[in-house]
Amino acid sequence: AQKVTQAQTEISVVEKEDVTLDCVYETRDTTYYLFWYKQPPSGELVFLIRRNSFDEQNEISGRYSWNFQKSTSSFNFTITASQVVDSAVYFCALSEAETGANNLFFGTGTRLTVIP
Amino acid sequence: NAGVTQTPKFQVLKTGQSMTLQCAQDMNHEYMSWYRQDPGMGLRLIHYSVGAGITDQGEVPNGYNVSRSTTEDFPLRLLSAAPSQTSVYFCASSQNTPIEETQYFGPGTRLLVL
Repeated sequence: AQKVTQAQTEISVVEKEDVTLDCVYETRDTTYYLFWYKQPPSGELVFLIRRNSFDEQNEISGRYSWNFQKSTSSFNFTITASQVVDSAVYFCALSEAETGANNLFFGTGTRLTVIP
Repeated sequence: NAGVTQTPKFQVLKTGQSMTLQCAQDMNHEYMSWYRQDPGMGLRLIHYSVGAGITDQGEVPNGYNVSRSTTEDFPLRLLSAAPSQTSVYFCASSQNTPIEETQYFGPGTRLLVL
C-alpha cells in the first residue's frame, strides 16, 4: 500500500538559515510521481514540484532544491537562506501511475516557521 | 482567469442538514477532484471526475455525492451532514490526471457540523 511519511511535524528556523524537510514514501508501483505543495497561512495549496520515479536528478529552483533518492525512498526538500515568507505547511505527496493515477496521497505535512 | 473558485468560504451546519459545496474552474480543465483536509492529516481524495458526465470515488467517498454536468462545475453534496464531516474542503482541477499535469487548488471551504 502507498504511504507518505513526513516525520517532522513542526520546524522553526531563524531567517537566513537553511532547512530541509524530509519525505519518505512507500509504494509497490515501479512508476510513480512525487510532489511537494506549499500551504501558506492564507490556506490555498501551491504546487512546487512534480518528479517521476525515473528521474533521480536533483532539482534546484532559486532557493529551493529537491533531493530524490530511490535507494532510501526519500524526496527531501531544502530551502536555502530561509525567509519569513517561507513560513507555511509543506506537503509531500505520491501518485502511482499503475494503480492510482487519479489520486494524490498526501503526507501529514510539516509546519515551517521562519523567525525574523 | 479566476482559476479554481469555491463557495462558500465558511459554513456552519447542524447534524442532518444537507448542503452543496460549489467548485468552478475557468481553465477548461477536464480533471476535477475534491479533497478534505483534517487536522494533523494530509489531504484525502473524496471524489474525482475525468470529464463531464464521468465521476468516480476516491479514498473517502462515504457521505458525499458529486455530479459533473459541465466541464466548469463540480459540486460536492452532503446529503445528511455529520460532525465527522467537519473539515476543510479543497477542490482541484488539472488538464489531465494529477501525475500528468499540475493540479490547481481552490482556496478551500471550511465546514463546521454541529
